[in-house]
Amino acid sequence: KAGVTQTPRYLIKTRGQQVTLSCSPISGHRSVSWYQQTPGQGLQFLFEYFSETQRNKGNFPGRFSGRQFSNSRSEMNVSTLELGDSALYLCASGHPGSTQYFGPGTRLTVL
Amino acid sequence: GQQLNQSPQSMFIQEGEDVSMNCTSSSIFNTWLWYKQEPGEGPVLLIALYKAGELTSNGRLTAQFGITRKDSFLNISASIPSDVGIYFCAGQQIWPQGGSEKLVFGKGTKLTVNP
Repeated sequence: KAGVTQTPRYLIKTRGQQVTLSCSPISGHRSVSWYQQTPGQGLQFLFEYFSETQRNKGNFPGRFSGRQFSNSRSEMNVSTLELGDSALYLCASGHPGSTQYFGPGTRLTVL
Repeated sequence: GQQLNQSPQSMFIQEGEDVSMNCTSSSIFNTWLWYKQEPGEGPVLLIALYKAGELTSNGRLTAQFGITRKDSFLNISASIPSDVGIYFCAGQQIWPQGGSEKLVFGKGTKLTVNP
């Protein structure tokens, strides 16, 4: 079974721009979660989607948004990028109530 | 945001030595997970624990779910160079509104193994 895939793997943007990251979950998984990883804050929960609905959201500003499609693929969008948004963005998929499996992440650098 | 207290932050050991790391929390979790992350990659699940008191092994790795549901430890026996990486504990909570989970992570233990 293929693992969680994320595209692109690396991205460089400038302040004020927006960015869209993509995640394809493991086949059959309908729950997709997003996390931000930085050296200072560690791994922080962004939001979770299940059956195209955002079920929960972490403590991040409204510039961070996401969506899930009918095939369970998910995207997250960050608008008006700030330097502090530079991070590794990780997507995880799983069955509800079960463990989550992570993708390799997208490394976002904001200049 | 909420995080677990994971210790130690880093460890430098000789190949063949045993390693122990742990996580504590003021909150109760219904699942404890241990992940390993290598540079440029996402966390890879090592062990999942679902019941308080549960002791589970995966090869040279052993982990336990604390009886109070507020802590967990991971042991690695007879370490080898490929054990190098950052090990994260994660507690999984069910949101009060039901059905959804989020992972709360420790800050990680960076393991260095000298051959």
